[in-house]
Amino acid sequence: AQSVSQHNHHVILSEAASLELGCNYSYGGTVNLFWYVQYPGQHLQLLLKYFSGDPLVKGIKGFEAEFIKSKFSFNLRKPSVQWSDTAEYFCAVPGAGSYQLTFGKGTKLSVIP
Amino acid sequence: EPEVTQTPSHQVTQMGQEVILRCVPISNHLYFYWYRQILGQKVEFLVSFYNNEISEKSEIFDDQFSVERPDGSNFTLKIRSTKLEDSAMYFCASSGRALGLFFGSGTQLSVL
Repeated sequence: AQSVSQHNHHVILSEAASLELGCNYSYGGTVNLFWYVQYPGQHLQLLLKYFSGDPLVKGIKGFEAEFIKSKFSFNLRKPSVQWSDTAEYFCAVPGAGSYQLTFGKGTKLSVIP
Repeated sequence: EPEVTQTPSHQVTQMGQEVILRCVPISNHLYFYWYRQILGQKVEFLVSFYNNEISEKSEIFDDQFSVERPDGSNFTLKIRSTKLEDSAMYFCASSGRALGLFFGSGTQLSVL
């Protein structure tokens, strides 16, 4: 069955620190991978997605993620976080069917000024 | 920038009552979804809708739930007889061809 796991429940960083959030997936079909962000009190927003091609994907707000097929991973990175990056981050993969997503449990990021 | 809009932002209801959550997907999108997020838990898929019919649904989406696209713009989720455990944030989403879902801001449903 399709599944996705996020390793960290809560990450606390100081501003300007580098960020890497782990995501591992289990999926037997064509690999499509997503990162969504949910800022406090707001809805889910698409950060970036991987469908095919260059395994290093660049998203909005300076985020990037690297698809490593051999490790079944799609880790999210940002070289220098800001206080405004405080949010919950969700990795997602296609669900059992064709047109749904299965979300990981999320990683809460707190950036301290 | 086009966006998915949901109304109301917050719905309070008594247990056993029917509620209808409303969504206006992005106009040229073809796939529509409902997800929910119970406080402190992960986002869960409920149902997807394409070509005027349900394409997929999860175990959560039982006979108490239904979806409808009554006109060319609205997409609704109806819960026939609400239970306490239905309290959650309900997100509508839409997508074009591929799986890049665009989410609405959610409706917080509180069942008392």
